[in-house]
Amino acid sequence: DGGITQSPKYLFRKEGQNVTLSCEQNLNHDAMYWYRQDPGQGLRLIYYSQIVNDFQKGDIAEGYSVSREKKESFPLTVTSAQKNPTAFYLCASSIASGEHEQFFGPGTRLTVL
Amino acid sequence: GENVEQHPSTLSVQEGDSAVIKCTYSDSASNYFPWYKQELGKRPQLIIDIRSNVGEKKDQRIAVTLNKTAKHFSLHITETQPEDSAVYFCAASIPPQGGGSEKLVFGKGTKLTVNP
Repeated sequence: DGGITQSPKYLFRKEGQNVTLSCEQNLNHDAMYWYRQDPGQGLRLIYYSQIVNDFQKGDIAEGYSVSREKKESFPLTVTSAQKNPTAFYLCASSIASGEHEQFFGPGTRLTVL
Repeated sequence: GENVEQHPSTLSVQEGDSAVIKCTYSDSASNYFPWYKQELGKRPQLIIDIRSNVGEKKDQRIAVTLNKTAKHFSLHITETQPEDSAVYFCAASIPPQGGGSEKLVFGKGTKLTVNP
């Protein structure tokens, strides 16, 4: 299970606050992804990046932002504009975008108080 | 955009029986169809995948079939064991659109329970 890590495991936030979730990989993968997992909803793509200094919106990008300044890092910021941020967030990476196995991190559970 | 429908949402079988999970997709340009298994409290992991130039692929007790004409693919698990209990997700690739790059769309998942 090594290679891609997320921190923290649990995160609590007050309404109106921004919070940043960390995702790091040492697999030398070019592509990285952020998914949101809610019960019964599967994995929904928030943002993805196929290469350093490039990223694209996924299906539910509103209220989120990302950066990709380093190949190994892809942090996700949940802003106060996200109306329902309480969820389980999964980061993943793959050797390249598209038709390649994605390796997932252990996830961060965010709870808004 | 691509829509991936997965059925059933829950599935309960007796140990030793077979389990079948089905997915349909809408984009005929999709070429890659992976299946992920997520055990309780753990991260999803790839268990098998299939590409559009192949109709069936097997790996020990698991197999995946693909019907490109009908746009559906299925996961088959034979001789189920309690450790097969997990949530299974299917996915389909979406070719680059509007300047973006290729990505996956996931189904909503199937919770499989194997009763001893």
